[in-house]
Order: sequence, then C-alpha cells, then structure tokens
Amino acid sequence: DVKVTQSSRYLVKRTGEKVFLECVQDMDHENMFWYRQDPGLGLRLIYFSYDVKMKEKGDIPEGYSVSREKKERFSLILESASTNQTSMYLCASSLQGAPSYGYTFGSGTRLTVV
Amino acid sequence: SQQGEEDPQALSIQEGENATMNCSYKTSINNLQWYRQNSGRGLVHLILIRSNEREKHSGRLRVTLDTSKKSSSLLITASRAADTASYFCATDYSGYSTLTFGKGTMLLVSP
Repeated sequence: DVKVTQSSRYLVKRTGEKVFLECVQDMDHENMFWYRQDPGLGLRLIYFSYDVKMKEKGDIPEGYSVSREKKERFSLILESASTNQTSMYLCASSLQGAPSYGYTFGSGTRLTVV
Repeated sequence: SQQGEEDPQALSIQEGENATMNCSYKTSINNLQWYRQNSGRGLVHLILIRSNEREKHSGRLRVTLDTSKKSSSLLITASRAADTASYFCATDYSGYSTLTFGKGTMLLVSP
C-alpha cells in the first residue's frame, strides 16, 4: 500500500523555536507538496518541489522554508515558530505527468505553537 | 486566489439518499479533482475530470463539469453513514500540477 508518512501526528512547540516537519513517501513520486489547513480557509499551498533540491513557493511561503535532499523526503521548516502558525499541516505527493492518480496525502501533523 | 468554492458548506441527509455538492472556480483549468477528508485526517483522492470531459462515473460517484459556467458537481448516490466526511474540489489550472483547493463541504449521513 502506497504511503505518505508524516513523522508526527501532534506537535506542541514554543514561540521562537525552529520546527521541522518531516514527510516521506515510498511511491517514487517526483512531486511533493506542503499545505496548511485552517478552519474557514481550507487548504493553502506553502511550498512544493518537482525534483530533488528543487523548491517553489506556493501561496503562503512567508515564515517557512523547505528542504528536499532526497527524492522521498520533503521537510517543512518553521524558522521561528509563531502562534499564527498553529495549524494542521498536510504533506502530499504526486506522480509527474499522471494527474489521473491525484495527490496522495499524509495523515497530517497538528502543530500547536504556544 | 484562484480557489474553488464548494456549495453548500454543510449538508445533512439520511442513509440511502443522494448527496450533491457543487464547486465553482474562477479561471480555465486543466482538470478538476474531488477529495474526501475524514475528520482530522489526510485527504483521499476520489475522482478526476479533465477539462474536455463533461461527466465521469466511479462506483457511486458521479462528477459533472461545465466549463462554460466554471462549475462542477459531485453526486454520491445511495449514501451511507461511512460517507460522512468533508469533500473538497481542487483545480489544476497552472499546468504545473499544483492543486488549488476549495474550503470543502461537510457531509453528514445519518443512519
């Protein structure tokens, strides 16, 4: 069964901390994405990557960075966590050139910044 | 934002009834996809319809697309309690395989 695995289901961090959210996929997908989901706002794209070491800004990249050193792993970094980054973070991957299969999502990381 | 908008925001029906959710979007698209999210979990891909298609079926799901009205509908027939979830439409308009999601419709199916 194909999978996207997010390292933590729940996370509580303090304001100002550097936070790493890890995402690993085992499907050999080229594309990987980070979204955040907030009530009333839906899903918003933070960053995405089409290949190793490549990254592109999404709609709300401010306060975040990403790293993709290996094809299967896409990390989201909160440089200095703030309370307005409290959210559900969803990682997804997809096969390049095959939109019919859609995105495969991880189960999400619910991050609380206190 | 090119975000799609689902309608209604919430829908409550009885088991066995049909559920219809609508999605409107703003710009030309390559394809439109529907996803389901069970409470507090990740999203699951349900179905994709391409811009040159008008209707598509998958099991109890029927999706239509009207590009002239920039709208789509998702019909779930003979609904079950297990269909209780949030449903999102997502549009691929950029050509770069990034999806823009709507805010979702919460469907409650009561036994």
